[in-house]
Amino acid sequence: DIQMTQSPSSLSASVGDRVTITCRASQSIKTYLNWYQQRPGKAPKLLIYTASSLQSGVPSRFSGSGSGTDFVFTISSLQPEDFATYYCQQSHTTPRTFGQGTKVEIK
Amino acid sequence: EVQVVESGGGLVQPGRSLRLSCTTSGFIFRDHAMNWVRQAPGKGLEWVGFIGTKPNGGTAEYAASVIGRFTISRDDSKSIAYLQMDSLKTEDTAVYYCSRDTSYAADYWGQGTLVTVSS
Repeated sequence: DIQMTQSPSSLSASVGDRVTITCRASQSIKTYLNWYQQRPGKAPKLLIYTASSLQSGVPSRFSGSGSGTDFVFTISSLQPEDFATYYCQQSHTTPRTFGQGTKVEIK
Repeated sequence: EVQVVESGGGLVQPGRSLRLSCTTSGFIFRDHAMNWVRQAPGKGLEWVGFIGTKPNGGTAEYAASVIGRFTISRDDSKSIAYLQMDSLKTEDTAVYYCSRDTSYAADYWGQGTLVTVSS
């Protein structure tokens, strides 16, 4: 199975900050990498698919990059509604493994 | 409007069975694979499995933790996907989410249904 490792596991940031989360795959997944946001008590929401494509309706402050084994997710200017947990997931092969999550908290 | 709604969760004893349903509307169900993902209390997301479309063979694939115990099926005439869970264990306790697959990602998710396995 492909292992997905996110870092950091948690971070504290202020409104307006630039936030970066990394995700590393244990083997090449080309660009089959997705990012999801999950607010407490809610279902996950797709933000970015195939590493850098913005899902329809998602604000442009969210972006993604990378290929192969190393990927980066960025929030350019953190907003109050962005405090949540973010997960990467590879869709290159099954099982479609998730990273362990990154909790973004208010500083 | 695309809608995905899970149902069928509840409290069940270890070793027993439960079937979850994923009722959908607002899109052509037969054209999409469907995923199941779960989240144990206070934990991260775990991919459970998915079922492909019939033109692509309609096959299901599963996480190692549920192989031989869980079965995913679909009824294209009703736009419903199912997750049959047999020989349940306490570690299967989780919120179970169903989602529509785009071939790359899960773009529409239900609100989840809680399954509690306990004696």
